[in-house]
Amino acid sequence: EIVLTQSPATLSLSPGERATLSCRASQSVSTYLAWYQQKPGQAPRLLIYDAFNRATGIPARFSGSGSGTDFILTVSSLEPEDFAVYYCQQRNNWPLTFGPGTKVDIK
Amino acid sequence: EVQLAESGGGLVQPGGSLRLSCAASGFTLSSYEMSWVRQPPGKGLEWVSSVTGSGDTTYYADSVEGRFTISRDSSKNTLYLQMNSLRVEDTAVYYCARDLGGTSHYWGQGTLATVSS
Repeated sequence: EIVLTQSPATLSLSPGERATLSCRASQSVSTYLAWYQQKPGQAPRLLIYDAFNRATGIPARFSGSGSGTDFILTVSSLEPEDFAVYYCQQRNNWPLTFGPGTKVDIK
Repeated sequence: EVQLAESGGGLVQPGGSLRLSCAASGFTLSSYEMSWVRQPPGKGLEWVSSVTGSGDTTYYADSVEGRFTISRDSSKNTLYLQMNSLRVEDTAVYYCARDLGGTSHYWGQGTLATVSS
């Protein structure tokens, strides 16, 4: 099973600041990595798939990069609605696995 | 518009069974890979099971293998998760999702299954 590790666990930032979230895989997942955003009481929402492709309707301030074992999700300038938990997920191997999440909260 | 609506959650005793349903609209269920993902209260996401578009192949997490069964009814455009021999640690919100190659592009709002005596 591929284990995903996310850092930091919590990121405290102000609106307008840049957020950089990391996801590391225990073995290569090529570019088969997705990022999801989840707000309290809501279902997850797909942001980025296959490392760098924005999902339908996702603003350009969200971007993804990386390949192999190291991946980054960047939010270029945080909007109030971006404060949430972010999960990475790999689809390179079964079982599909998720990272533990990074909470982005308001400083 | 793609919509997914889960139902069937509730309170069940350890060792009991539940069948979750996911009614799909806006697309034909049998044309897509579908998954179930769960989230215990206050915790992260855990993939549970997937079925390919053709329905020929199913996948399960080790934690549910042999106890849970994913299936679908094309005539009702509905996905199911039959959960047997339930354990306290199966307590979670269960989401269904429409996938593309293992990435969940569309999610339902979830249904809560609570296993407790």
